[in-house]
Amino acid sequence: EVQLVESGGGEVKPGGSLRLSCAASGFTFVHAWMSWVRQAPGKGLEWVGRIKSKGGGGTTDYAAPVKGRFTISRDDSKNTIYLQMNSLKIEDTAVYFCAWVEKAPDAMTNWGQGTLVTVSS
Amino acid sequence: QSVLTQPPSASGTPGQRVTISCSGSISNIGHNTVNWYQHLPGTAPKLLIYSDNQRPSGVPDRFSGSKSGTSASLAISGLQSEDEADYYCAAWDDSLNGSVFGGGTKLTVL
Repeated sequence: EVQLVESGGGEVKPGGSLRLSCAASGFTFVHAWMSWVRQAPGKGLEWVGRIKSKGGGGTTDYAAPVKGRFTISRDDSKNTIYLQMNSLKIEDTAVYFCAWVEKAPDAMTNWGQGTLVTVSS
Repeated sequence: QSVLTQPPSASGTPGQRVTISCSGSISNIGHNTVNWYQHLPGTAPKLLIYSDNQRPSGVPDRFSGSKSGTSASLAISGLQSEDEADYYCAAWDDSLNGSVFGGGTKLTVL
């Protein structure tokens, strides 16, 4: 059974940093492309970014609102991806989901339950 | 303002067929495949349709997708009360070099 479990959410002040983790199981993680998606309170889904498998180049892509502030990385030995969030803004407040991009090129077939990040002074 | 445009709401009665539209541009829908997600608040989103019209295993054939030019549609036939949820279209955008979602459509089963 595929499982994705996010952790690391919490409350942080504007300008602060936070690192989210997403632990995966139930599929061959080393070959997986993974994405982060967020949903702000009362808003729709917003793609944050993705990381390709090392075999696929291991490169990352980001949405414009987070580019230069957020970094996605992976540790294949731990079946985990990370979202390092720096210079956080109030508008980054959201539930953050990680997802497995199983159906190329960008269809996210399995999602975690999400972790809440609140940026507030 | 989302890159992909969806109607904010849709509704139907049990057994009816409803369609949800998604309008984009050459750089996204016009050049890349469309995916559709179902989301109930407080839960994990679920992939309903990928590659314009393909259903993942376990998704009922009541759900179907289509695409023409720079627009796509999700059709739900034999509407059921459990279909009440938010529906999102998504596609890769070559100009933005990223994935984009529609603003979402809240489906109400009357």
